[in-house]
Amino acid sequence: AQSVTQLDSHVSVSEGTPVLLRCNYSSSYSPSLFWYVQHPNKGLQLLLKYTSAATLVKGINGFEAEFKKSETSFHLTKPSAHMSDAAEYFCVVRSTDSWGKLQFGAGTQVVVTP
Amino acid sequence: EPEVTQTPSHQVTQMGQEVILRCVPISNHLYFYWYRQILGQKVEFLVSFYNNEISEKSEIFDDQFSVERPDGSNFTLKIRSTKLEDSAMYFCASSGQTSGGAKYFGPGTRLTVT
Repeated sequence: AQSVTQLDSHVSVSEGTPVLLRCNYSSSYSPSLFWYVQHPNKGLQLLLKYTSAATLVKGINGFEAEFKKSETSFHLTKPSAHMSDAAEYFCVVRSTDSWGKLQFGAGTQVVVTP
Repeated sequence: EPEVTQTPSHQVTQMGQEVILRCVPISNHLYFYWYRQILGQKVEFLVSFYNNEISEKSEIFDDQFSVERPDGSNFTLKIRSTKLEDSAMYFCASSGQTSGGAKYFGPGTRLTVT
């Protein structure tokens, strides 16, 4: 079975400083991993996805994530936080069965202070 | 850019009543999903739907739940007799030509059962 663990439930950063959101995965097979973002009262927006191509994945809004098999990690980073980055972020792994069920992490709430 | 839409955005119903949540997936997508997020909890998979039938469902998706694609565009989730614990945000998602593709989520319907 696949699962993800988000190591921080809350992260607070100052505007202009780097953001790091940590995610570890558990999977018997080469996983497909995603990061989604949920802004207040909005739906889930896909930030980026890893599907066994390049280990460094670039997403929207300046975010990127690095797949590290040796560490079973898929941390999300952004060099410089913007006020609009305040949201909840979900690390997600896709089930390896044929129907693509997603398993969500518990989420990390990001607060950006001026 | 095409997007998944959901109606209504907020539904309030009394316990025991039937509700139908509606979704319009992205037009050329073939795989459809419902997820829910109870306040303060993880996003949970409910059901996946392909080729006009359920392909997978979770233990949450009991006999009170049903899904339907009544025409070429809508995808509905029906709860026959709502319970207080059905109060949650319900997300519809779709993915393209393979189940392994990224899932595009709608903005959600907040269901409140009183």
